[in-house]
Amino acid sequence: DIQMTQSPSSLSASVGDRVTITCRASQGIRNDLGWYQQKPGKAPKRLIYAASSLQSGVPSRFSGSGSGTEFTLTISSLQPEDFATYYCLQHNSYPMYTFGQGTKLEIK
Amino acid sequence: QVTLRESGPALVKPTQTLTLTCTFSGFSLSTSGMCVSWIRQPPGKALEWLALIDWDDDKYYSTSLKTRLTISKDTSKNQVVLTMTNMDPVDTATYYCARVSIATHEFDYWGQGTLVTVSS
Repeated sequence: DIQMTQSPSSLSASVGDRVTITCRASQGIRNDLGWYQQKPGKAPKRLIYAASSLQSGVPSRFSGSGSGTEFTLTISSLQPEDFATYYCLQHNSYPMYTFGQGTKLEIK
Repeated sequence: QVTLRESGPALVKPTQTLTLTCTFSGFSLSTSGMCVSWIRQPPGKALEWLALIDWDDDKYYSTSLKTRLTISKDTSKNQVVLTMTNMDPVDTATYYCARVSIATHEFDYWGQGTLVTVSS
């Protein structure tokens, strides 16, 4: 099975900061990766698909990059509503999937 | 618009079998390429993919849980059912169903989730 290692597991930042979250795959997965945002008590919401494509309706301060084994989610200028937990999801082994362990983004 | 909703018991006893139903609208599981998956999340922990069923009735399971899981569909009712046998307290989690995007193979629409507690 493909393993996804996400880092950091938690992160404290301030409104206006630039933040980067990383996911590393145990083997090459091309660009078969998405990023999801989850707020407490809510279902995950897709932000990025195919590693770098922005989901319709998602603010442009969110961006994704990477290919192969290393991927990043960047939030260019944190807003109060961005404090949440973020997950990566690989689907290169479709129809089998693997999530990262999550990154909890907290207010400093 | 696309919606999904999970239903099932909120509490099950250890060793019992859990049956969850995902009722959806806005798409058909008879459409070529369409799939629905189940994902779960223990309290305070990460998401875990469980199972997927596709339009052609092919079924796929998490390697670690495949002996305990069964996924099925009723296309006429727009429902997908997940059963998990031999429930244990570690299976306490919020269980989500999600639609799989034909284009990207990712989960584009999710249900609200249903919390299942395993306790005697």
